[in-house]
Amino acid sequence: GAGVSQSPSNKVTEKGKDVELRCDPISGHTALYWYRQSLGQGLEFLIYFQGNSAPDKSGLPSDRFSAERTGGSVSTLTIQRTQQEDSAVYLCASSLGQPGRETQYFGPGTRLLVL
Amino acid sequence: SQQGEEDPQALSIQEGENATMNCSYKTSINNLQWYRQNSGRGLVHLILIRSNEREKHSGRLRVTLDTSKKSSSLLITASRAADTASYFCATDDRRNNDMRFGAGTRLTVKP
Repeated sequence: GAGVSQSPSNKVTEKGKDVELRCDPISGHTALYWYRQSLGQGLEFLIYFQGNSAPDKSGLPSDRFSAERTGGSVSTLTIQRTQQEDSAVYLCASSLGQPGRETQYFGPGTRLLVL
Repeated sequence: SQQGEEDPQALSIQEGENATMNCSYKTSINNLQWYRQNSGRGLVHLILIRSNEREKHSGRLRVTLDTSKKSSSLLITASRAADTASYFCATDDRRNNDMRFGAGTRLTVKP
């Protein structure tokens, strides 16, 4: 079956512009996660959704970052007024249920470059 | 597909004991990372070890890497109840730089 998909696969933008990243989780997966990985670094957790609600937003680095999930499926991560330090690979993952007890399946990521 | 495979799948110990978790992988890697996930939370990065390193320490954590055996181990010393979580290894595939996670080891530390 289809895995987690993300779009766009690559995004180049100018400093100060807003960007929107999309994640389509595996059908039936209730949990959805966003992570960021800067070059040479480990994954940085951003936000987690259970259904449409986000019980854990602790990882969002600033108020320029927001995310939503509608219909318990597709999620969008929005970065407003992008900065050069936002350049990274943004990874989305989904799992069947309770975090920490189910395998997370990762999408291919969106490579964001802010010039 | 998942590349790293952790074992055991589940581990239950008493507070104060050491916990050892292992990870095996299949391809050549740039680095290997260990993550922790508490129930209801996202993944937290613990430690990264590069392919040319053999051992790394961070607080109560000790990670080893044996590239000849394509395996790594995570040792948590003097475990605490707060260490109860799932632990994942992730490999950075040298061929395509994809990160692949295993299914994790669920560690329970009893007080």
